[in-house]
Amino acid sequence: DSGVTQTPKHLITATGQRVTLRCSPRSGDLSVYWYQQSLDQGLQFLIQYYNGEERAKGNILERFSAQQFPDLHSELNLSSLELGDSALYFCASSVGIGVPGELFFGEGSRLTVL
Amino acid sequence: TQLLEQSPQFLSIQEGENLTVYCNSSSVFSSLQWYRQEPGEGPVLLVTVVTGGEVKKLKRLTFQFGDARKDSSLHITAAQPGDTGLYLCAGAAGANNLFFGTGTRLTVIP
Repeated sequence: DSGVTQTPKHLITATGQRVTLRCSPRSGDLSVYWYQQSLDQGLQFLIQYYNGEERAKGNILERFSAQQFPDLHSELNLSSLELGDSALYFCASSVGIGVPGELFFGEGSRLTVL
Repeated sequence: TQLLEQSPQFLSIQEGENLTVYCNSSSVFSSLQWYRQEPGEGPVLLVTVVTGGEVKKLKRLTFQFGDARKDSSLHITAAQPGDTGLYLCAGAAGANNLFFGTGTRLTVIP
C-alpha cells in the first residue's frame, strides 16, 4: 500500500461526457502528479501541483483540468470525452517539489469511454 | 518533451536466465529512476541513479547510468517469476518533471 488513494477505481462513460477523478496523497506529501497510461505503455505526464499551486504542465489536453485543494487532495477533470481518452489515470505524490525524490503511485483509475 | 526509448518492448525468458533492459534518450537527465509495475497496481520505485557512470546493485538487479547521463540499463541475473512486470525508466529534467520511458514488459516463465 503506497498510501495514495484514487477513486473511482473503474469508470465507464460515454463520449461527450465529463468525469472527475480524485486523488488523496500520502500523509505529509505536498506534491501531486497526474499521469495517463494507455495500453500498458509508459506514463504520460499530465500535470503537477505543489501545495495547491500548479508547478508543471505536460501533455495535458485543453479538455482536461486539475486542481489541488487546501487539504492537498487533487482532482482531475476530463470533459468532452473521446474514445481515445480511455486509459489508466495515475496519481502520484511526493514529499517535496523536485525530483529525484520518490514518487508514490496510487492504484490508478481505469476510464473506459464508449 | 524528452523521449525515453526502452528496449526491448517485450521480453519473455525462462527462469534462471539473465537479461538486460535498455533506456535511451538524446536528452541529458539530472537523474534517472527505474520503476516496476505489476498488473492492477501503480509503479513502484526500484532505484534512483544520479551520477554519470553510477552503478547500483539491488540483490540480483544491477542498474547503470550512462556516463553522459542520457541512457541507463537494468540487468537482472537469474531471473525469477517474481520479476515479471512492466519495467519503466524515468528521467528527471528540471525541478518538477519526471518523464517516463515506453516500458519493457518482462515475463519470466517458471
